[in-house]
Amino acid sequence: EAGVAQSPRYKIIEKRQSVAFWCNPISGHATLYWYQQILGQGPKLLIQFQNNGVVDDSQLPKDRFSAERLKGVDSTLKIQPAKLEDSAVYLCASSLDPGLREQFFGPGTRLTVL
Amino acid sequence: DQQVKQNSPSLSVQEGRISILNCDYTNSMFDYFLWYKKYPAEGPTFLISISSIKDKNEDGRFTVFLNKSAKHLSLHIVPSQPGDSAVYFCAASGLSNTGKLIFGQGTTLQVKP
Repeated sequence: EAGVAQSPRYKIIEKRQSVAFWCNPISGHATLYWYQQILGQGPKLLIQFQNNGVVDDSQLPKDRFSAERLKGVDSTLKIQPAKLEDSAVYLCASSLDPGLREQFFGPGTRLTVL
Repeated sequence: DQQVKQNSPSLSVQEGRISILNCDYTNSMFDYFLWYKKYPAEGPTFLISISSIKDKNEDGRFTVFLNKSAKHLSLHIVPSQPGDSAVYFCAASGLSNTGKLIFGQGTTLQVKP
């Protein structure tokens, strides 16, 4: 069974530029999560999708971050414009449904904002 | 407001000995706890979990203990192996029915040969 795929693995941008990350969850997993992990901290949930609907985006900085999962499969997370404090690893995770607490994580995208 | 805390940033143990990683939480509404392991440049991988109706769960070399009255859980690894060297995250869920996980800051475990 293929795991959660993410791309790119690394990205370096200047502040005020925009960037997009892509995630393809495990086949059949209805629930998709985007996390932000700042160095030295644990992952923090940014947004959760159930199929193509948003379940929780309470911690997403909506003035600069956006995410979509149009067909209920893969998802993109965008930052526009980026700030220095957005430097982090962005992790995508998926699960069969929210009742199953175990989430499967992708390798993450390391973003550096200069 | 850090609802899940791992107060030890790092731990070093000798191969073959026991590793004990600790985690504290503040919200009594959490009803499910998980431990994840993370190697550099990889995503976290699920290790073991425990429901709040239990006080112990064992899987091979890994055992998780839950003390609800103290709002404390611990992960025991016996015997520790060099391949166990990684960052370990404690996570809690149950505040909503969305499966949302709240993570601790992580503890870096180094197992010396």
